[in-house]
Amino acid sequence: AQSVTQPDIHITVSEGASLELRCNYSYGATPYLFWYVQSPGQGLQLLLKYFSGDTLVQGIKGFEAEFKRSQSSFNLRKPSVHWSDAAEYFCAVVENTGGFKTIFGAGTRLFVKA
Amino acid sequence: DGGITQSPKYLFRKEGQNVTLSCEQNLNHDAMYWYRQDPGQGLRLIYYSQIVNDFQKGDIAEGYSVSREKKESFPLTVTSAQKNPTAFYLCASRGLADQETQYFGPGTRLLVL
Repeated sequence: AQSVTQPDIHITVSEGASLELRCNYSYGATPYLFWYVQSPGQGLQLLLKYFSGDTLVQGIKGFEAEFKRSQSSFNLRKPSVHWSDAAEYFCAVVENTGGFKTIFGAGTRLFVKA
Repeated sequence: DGGITQSPKYLFRKEGQNVTLSCEQNLNHDAMYWYRQDPGQGLRLIYYSQIVNDFQKGDIAEGYSVSREKKESFPLTVTSAQKNPTAFYLCASRGLADQETQYFGPGTRLLVL
C-alpha cells in the first residue's frame, strides 16, 4: 500500500537559517507529489507539486522541493526562513489512478526562533 | 473570488446529538472530500464524492453521513454513533482541469460539551 513518511514530528530553526523538511513515499510508479502548509486553525494551502519533468520544483513563498526517485524522497527546502513560516507542513502523494486518492503524511510542525 | 467555504468555524455538540457541517464551493469542481484531522495523525478521509448524487466511504466513515444533492455542496453529518467526534474537519474539492490537486476549505472545529 502507498504510504508517506515525514520522519520529523517537529523542527525548530532560527529565523534566517535554511530549512529542509523530509518526505519519503512508498509507491510503485512515479507518483504525483505535493507539499501543503497549514497555519493554526486554518485549512491547507498548496505550496507546490510535482508530476513529471524537472525534478526541482518551485513553489510559493520561496519554497522549493526536489524529487529524487532513487531515494523515494520529495524534500521541501527554503534558503532563509521567516517567522511567518512557522506552521505545519504536510507531504502528500496522489495515486495515479482514476480516483486520484490522496495520501497524507502525518505532518511536520515548524517552529521559528528569533 | 472562487473558493471553498466551511461553516461554522466552531461547533459544539451535546451527547446524543447529530450535527451537520457545511461545505460549499464555487470552483465548479466535480469531486469533494471530507477529512478529519487529529493532532499528530495527519488527515484521514471520511467520505468523498466524485459526482452529484454519488459518494463513497473513506477510511473512517463510521459514525458519519453525507449527501451530495448539488455540485456546490457536500454537507457532513456527525451522528451520535461517532463516539469521539472532537476534531478539526476539513473539506476539499478537486476539478477536472487540475484533477490531481485538492484545494481545501478553512475547516470546522467540532467540540463535545
